[in-house]
Amino acid sequence: DAGVIQSPRHEVTEMGQEVTLRCKPISGHNSLFWYRQTMMRGLELLIYFNNNVPIDDSGMPEDRFSAKMPNASFSTLKIQPSEPRDSAVYFCASRSEPREAFFGQGTRLTVV
Amino acid sequence: QKEVEQDPGPLSVPEGAIVSLNCTYSNSAFQYFMWYRQYSRKGPELLMYTYSSGNKEDGRFTAQVDKSSKYISLFIRDSQPSDSATYLCAMSDGMRYSSASKIIFGSGTRLSIRP
Repeated sequence: DAGVIQSPRHEVTEMGQEVTLRCKPISGHNSLFWYRQTMMRGLELLIYFNNNVPIDDSGMPEDRFSAKMPNASFSTLKIQPSEPRDSAVYFCASRSEPREAFFGQGTRLTVV
Repeated sequence: QKEVEQDPGPLSVPEGAIVSLNCTYSNSAFQYFMWYRQYSRKGPELLMYTYSSGNKEDGRFTAQVDKSSKYISLFIRDSQPSDSATYLCAMSDGMRYSSASKIIFGSGTRLSIRP
């Protein structure tokens, strides 16, 4: 298996634009997590899904953030409109409950 | 108070030293404990995974969990410059075959091994 695959690896966008981050989890895993990492706040859990259903989105910072998982092999995290303070590295991870999670390489987002 | 507390460091030790990294937590429901290593501009990679209290050894790495004290540790023996990275503890309250459980991370400890 190729592991968790995220795209794009880097994204630079202007304030106010819509940003969509994509994730393909490891085949057979039934849970998927979206994290955001910054120097100030570390690795923060934004939302997680189990069997494609959102379980807890309490970490989503604002209504500008939304996430979907239309099927077991794909998830998106959307920010609309984007703001400079959204600049961070966004990670997707998947696991087969209750085992350990495996991370993708992340998307480095810069909002200017 | 954060659910998981971890000293951010930085921690600098000479090559060959034994390194001790620690985390404390407040949620007594946590049962699964993990340590991840993260190199600069890379995603976290799993080092150790343990369930409940006790010790687990894998090569130069030993993970310890003390649930009574809500304290976990990672020991690195014979440390190498290639061990220089950020180490993140993580924990989960998942029950076996549970439908879902979140994983909460510590803030990470930056470790530098001096040649």
